[in-house]
Amino acid sequence: ETGVTQSPTHLIKTRGQQVTLRCSSQSGHNTVSWYQQALGQGPQFIFQYYREEENGRGNFPPRFSGLQFPNYSSELNVNALELDDSALYLCASARGRGQETQYFGPGTRLLVL
Amino acid sequence: KNQVEQSPQSLIILEGKNCTLQCNYTVSPFSNLRWYKQDTGRGPVSLTIMTFSENTKSNGRYTATLDADTKQSSLHITASQLSDSASYICVVSSWVSGGYNKLIFGAGTRLAVHP
Repeated sequence: ETGVTQSPTHLIKTRGQQVTLRCSSQSGHNTVSWYQQALGQGPQFIFQYYREEENGRGNFPPRFSGLQFPNYSSELNVNALELDDSALYLCASARGRGQETQYFGPGTRLLVL
Repeated sequence: KNQVEQSPQSLIILEGKNCTLQCNYTVSPFSNLRWYKQDTGRGPVSLTIMTFSENTKSNGRYTATLDADTKQSSLHITASQLSDSASYICVVSSWVSGGYNKLIFGAGTRLAVHP
């Protein structure tokens, strides 16, 4: 196990609803990245937080937002859910924002009906 | 456009056999290349990491190679075991101005090892 935990493990929502996903990083890590992985695809970078500030963002609309707390845990919020948001959402923590290895959590599987 | 392409898309081999997975990338600037193993419904786990100057790296039965000139990498698995059944994802890291390391993922090769 990587020491990165995510909650919930599974979630079912309907179109238009909002969802919050949570991630606890590995001890000593100050960087958290979020990824969306559609079925049969590789993960796509959503954004990264470093020491409580957004440090980089992929090609996702503003309805995808996040937060990092002083203990370096993190939340991913998605507003106005769409059917295409159905995916496995992964978070990964790292010791820094450089070339350090990112350690992934088990993911939250979101289904939007 | 930064891209990572993997082949084959899926592969079935018998237990005890060897196999090689391929990865081609067009990513610039290049920081490093990793191979991850992802079990179904789980997060990816790093197997190997190689920088520009390294052309081979081993981790037990896994051996990764990197040709930075042709921008190709391979992952060789020897004496496969049933537990090797998983998706293997090639990930290239690129340092983005503004200060973060962006990971570009391939779609993965789904490996099934049969008894």
